[in-house]
Amino acid sequence: DAMVIQNPRYQVTQFGKPVTLSCSQTLNHNVMYWYQQKSSQAPKLLFHYYDKDFNNEADTPDNFQSRRPNTSFCFLDIRSPGLGDAAMYLCATSSLAGEEQFFGPGTRLTVL
Amino acid sequence: SQQGEEDPQALSIQEGENATMNCSYKTSINNLQWYRQNSGRGLVHLILIRSNEREKHSGRLRVTLDTSKKSSSLLITASRAADTASYFCATEANFGNEKLTFGTGTRLTIIP
Repeated sequence: DAMVIQNPRYQVTQFGKPVTLSCSQTLNHNVMYWYQQKSSQAPKLLFHYYDKDFNNEADTPDNFQSRRPNTSFCFLDIRSPGLGDAAMYLCATSSLAGEEQFFGPGTRLTVL
Repeated sequence: SQQGEEDPQALSIQEGENATMNCSYKTSINNLQWYRQNSGRGLVHLILIRSNEREKHSGRLRVTLDTSKKSSSLLITASRAADTASYFCATEANFGNEKLTFGTGTRLTIIP
């Protein structure tokens, strides 16, 4: 089945230790998104790619970076995680920007 | 902030009853979407309604959109225990920013 896959599902890191989260898709969608979702809150958009065009939200901290080496894969790098970065990170794709999004199961990040 | 608000924040009903959730938003939109999120999981797209549509149905779901009031409602009929989840509305603004803004969510609990 076509899907969005996120690895790992659970990630524990130490304060200040870089971490990379990965997302892959078999849907061949042009658009990929990274969201941060804290407990009982709405998903907050961090970045999105339309093809290779990178779009950074104005309030996304510099501590967060993203890479999309090809259509299928996208990575979220957190250079120096702080306690406030503990959250669920969701990857999503869509065939057209602004249309239905398909989400992965998320990566739960814990910062010790 | 363009974030929408949902009402109520939490809703508990008996199995078999109907559940209604409301969403208000701030900007003119191209479309409004509803998503479901089971605890600790990714979001699942339920239904999309465009700005020129007033009502849409999908199975036990009925969505209405009132662009003059900048509001939408989601009705789930004949609720089931499996409907227990958080429900989010999301809007695509009509100034072409290619992204969704999520509301604050309604936590729905179905009591067997």
